[in-house]
Amino acid sequence: GQNIDQPTEMTATEGAIVQINCTYQTSGFNGLFWYQQHAGEAPTFLSYNVLDGLEEKGRFSSFLSRSKGYSYLLLKELQMKDSASYLCAVKDSNYQLIWGAGTKLIIKP
Amino acid sequence: SQTIHQWPATLVQPVGSPLSLECTVEGTSNPNLYWYRQAAGRGLQLLFYSVGIGQISSEVPQNLSASRPQDRQFILSSKKLLLSDSGFYLCAWSTFGADTGELFFGEGSRLTVL
Repeated sequence: GQNIDQPTEMTATEGAIVQINCTYQTSGFNGLFWYQQHAGEAPTFLSYNVLDGLEEKGRFSSFLSRSKGYSYLLLKELQMKDSASYLCAVKDSNYQLIWGAGTKLIIKP
Repeated sequence: SQTIHQWPATLVQPVGSPLSLECTVEGTSNPNLYWYRQAAGRGLQLLFYSVGIGQISSEVPQNLSASRPQDRQFILSSKKLLLSDSGFYLCAWSTFGADTGELFFGEGSRLTVL
């Protein structure tokens, strides 16, 4: 079967750095997405990786290793507004998105 | 710019009652349209997707149905709701044929079936 694994919950301190990991086992691979979802709201797109390596977008970076079936989202200079769930999703060989359950990130002052 | 709206935002319905959630997209043509359900602690579950008017693919057999009467309108329906239909329903669109295919979500509709 197809599976996306990410930690259920993480806690970090304002101003610090946090890394959220995602491992996947899917039938084929056509890209990996990270979305941010604040409580009670819809997910919003953060990043897309299809080749190995690091993609940087301001305070957020996303890394992909296709050989290891692994990605991480790195958040720097954490702010209270970064408290949210972070969803990892992989596009499989049929171009369908397989979603992880999300990682709830709690930022403490 | 493109926008997506879905409604109602929240609704409480008794078991056995009908359901209609509506979603519209503006500022783009021939979008791919999706209905997802999100249960607490679980990943997004794809319910239906559509690549064109009248073209609906169902991912999960259940008592829900979807229709696309116009290019930018997507409707989720049920004739008789079950308790298990409670959840957060999300409509989304993506650009047909886009390389990345990122999804743009509507505001969501929280359904509680009592």
